[in-house]
Amino acid sequence: AQSVTQPDIHITVSEGASLELRCNYSYGATPYLFWYVQSPGQGLQLLLKYFSGDTLVQGIKGFEAEFKRSQSSFNLRKPSVHWSDAAEYFCAVGATSGTYKYIFGTGTRLKVLA
Amino acid sequence: NAGVTQTPKFQVLKTGQSMTLQCAQDMNHNSMYWYRQDPGMGLRLIYYSASEGTTDKGEVPNGYNVSRLNKREFSLRLESAAPSQTSVYFCASRPGGLATARGELFFGEGSRLTVL
Repeated sequence: AQSVTQPDIHITVSEGASLELRCNYSYGATPYLFWYVQSPGQGLQLLLKYFSGDTLVQGIKGFEAEFKRSQSSFNLRKPSVHWSDAAEYFCAVGATSGTYKYIFGTGTRLKVLA
Repeated sequence: NAGVTQTPKFQVLKTGQSMTLQCAQDMNHNSMYWYRQDPGMGLRLIYYSASEGTTDKGEVPNGYNVSRLNKREFSLRLESAAPSQTSVYFCASRPGGLATARGELFFGEGSRLTVL
């Protein structure tokens, strides 16, 4: 069965500091991996996705993520955080066959200090 | 340019009442999903429909039923609402199918349900 773990519930960083949000997954094969962002009262917006090939993927708003098969991880990074990045971030794993189930982690809430 | 439309956006129910959340997408997507979002729990999959005519249980299906009415519409029904079903419900869709399994989810704006 597929599952996603986001070990950090809350993270606080100062504006301009670097950011890394952790995501670990469980799946029998190489899954499709996604990061979404949710601002308060809003729906979810896709930041980036990984299917195959280059393990470092670039997304919108200056975010990137690295797929590490040996660690079953797909961590999200940003070199310099802006105050507008304060939001909740969700990692998700999509099944690559069968009925294409799509599972989310519990989310990491990011607070940015001015 | 509607995308995924959910109705209603807000609803208050009394325990034991029934209601249906409606979802429609105009992107010709095959797969549709219902999630609930609760603080500290993230998004949990209730039911999904990989294609028209099929539905499958997700992580938390108890107390819910779904209907894939046609390719566009996927409704979620609470037959006898309970306070534990107070949540924000999101409908989502994506192209789905073998050829497009890589597609991301497109979300509706959510439906906030309170059960008293």
